[in-house]
Amino acid sequence: DARVTQTPRHKVTEMGQEVTMRCQPILGHNTVFWYRQTMMQGLELLAYFRNRAPLDDSGMPKDRFSAEMPDATLATLKIQPSEPRDSAVYFCASGLNGQGAETQYFGPGTRLLVL
Amino acid sequence: DQQVKQNSPSLSVQEGRISILNCDYTNSMFDYFLWYKKYPAEGPTFLISISSIKDKNEDGRFTVFLNKSAKHLSLHIVPSQPGDSAVYFCAARAAGNKLTFGGGTRVLVKP
Repeated sequence: DARVTQTPRHKVTEMGQEVTMRCQPILGHNTVFWYRQTMMQGLELLAYFRNRAPLDDSGMPKDRFSAEMPDATLATLKIQPSEPRDSAVYFCASGLNGQGAETQYFGPGTRLLVL
Repeated sequence: DQQVKQNSPSLSVQEGRISILNCDYTNSMFDYFLWYKKYPAEGPTFLISISSIKDKNEDGRFTVFLNKSAKHLSLHIVPSQPGDSAVYFCAARAAGNKLTFGGGTRVLVKP
């Protein structure tokens, strides 16, 4: 049963600390998405990779957030320094581009609390 | 500027009855629409989708209707079951496979 995995599932940290969230997309998928879910904004797209290349990170605060794909099996989202307003659930999703409109498969999310 | 809106934050329905969830969008470039279902502490899971060239797609108890002229889509669940209690998100896709999500509708199916 292929699925997207995310670590950690929960993270509590103090303001100013670096936070790194990891995602393992479904094997063979070539697109990876990072979303953030908050009560106020719902699900918002932060960044989007295709074949490991960043295609769109316009939804991401550039000064503190960075997203990378070191290899096809790992995507990372870093926040440095973290702030209380970053508290949210961060979802990673993967899909297979090239077969018409793709379906995105979501991981279970990382619940982040910045104190 | 919310391009995809779900105006009903919650919906309560009796088991066995129909659940109707609505979604409105503003961007005429959207060409594909999806519904996702989300349980607490889990990621959204894909439910059903529809291309802009169709006006209806059915999968078991779930039917999605698309009215392009009104920029409106709806999800019908018939009959509703207690296991359908979840948050439902509609999403729309423009070029590049980026999805724009609505704010979600929480459905409660009462036994």
